[in-house]
Amino acid sequence: GAVVSQHPSRVICKSGTSVKIECRSLDFQATTMFWYRQFPKQSLMLMATSNEGSKATYEQGVEKDKFLINHASLTLSTLTVTSAHPEDSSFYICSASSTSGGYNEQFFGPGTRLTVL
Amino acid sequence: AQSVTQLDSQVPVFEEAPVELRCNYSSSVSVYLFWYVQYPNQGLQLLLKYLSGSTLVKGINGFEAEFNKSQTSFHLRKPSVHISDTAEYFCAVSNQAGTALIFGKGTTLSVSS
Repeated sequence: GAVVSQHPSRVICKSGTSVKIECRSLDFQATTMFWYRQFPKQSLMLMATSNEGSKATYEQGVEKDKFLINHASLTLSTLTVTSAHPEDSSFYICSASSTSGGYNEQFFGPGTRLTVL
Repeated sequence: AQSVTQLDSQVPVFEEAPVELRCNYSSSVSVYLFWYVQYPNQGLQLLLKYLSGSTLVKGINGFEAEFNKSQTSFHLRKPSVHISDTAEYFCAVSNQAGTALIFGKGTTLSVSS
């Protein structure tokens, strides 16, 4: 089956620094990748949709200047949390979309736990 | 707009008992429905999905779900649970355009001996 990886799996950083999270589709090409955010014991909330070679589409309430998304190739999307603050601490999960049987099925990465001190 | 309601935030059951996790959705267009499981500090694993065809869908780990269009429901069932089924379960919906998934708030299944 399709595999999506995320790196790093866990990161701890100081307030004010920037953190980059990578999302890779390992065995398929993903024209679309999605970034979700999950707070403890809550559901996944879509942050943005990223299409290869174009600007990401952000959901309402998500600061595009704070959460920079780049989808430079069909197998890699990155999320950079700029000037991170403790309230940005969360579990970030990406998914990559692959056309299967006419439907764009999503495959999820294992997630990245960000802790901002 | 689409939305998903998981009617139970927590479901405690004893091992080997049957379980049903309830999910209702709302959508003005045709939908694709999914159930995912999440173990602590891990990503999502797809349990099963309904795209079209038979309304009874069988998934991994002995789970199944039934799509009921008239009741706009997609309840997840397992006839006999194990301790290892303890996890968070999410129901999700998307439309035919392959847009991002809309998730319910999740149901915590706790299986005890």
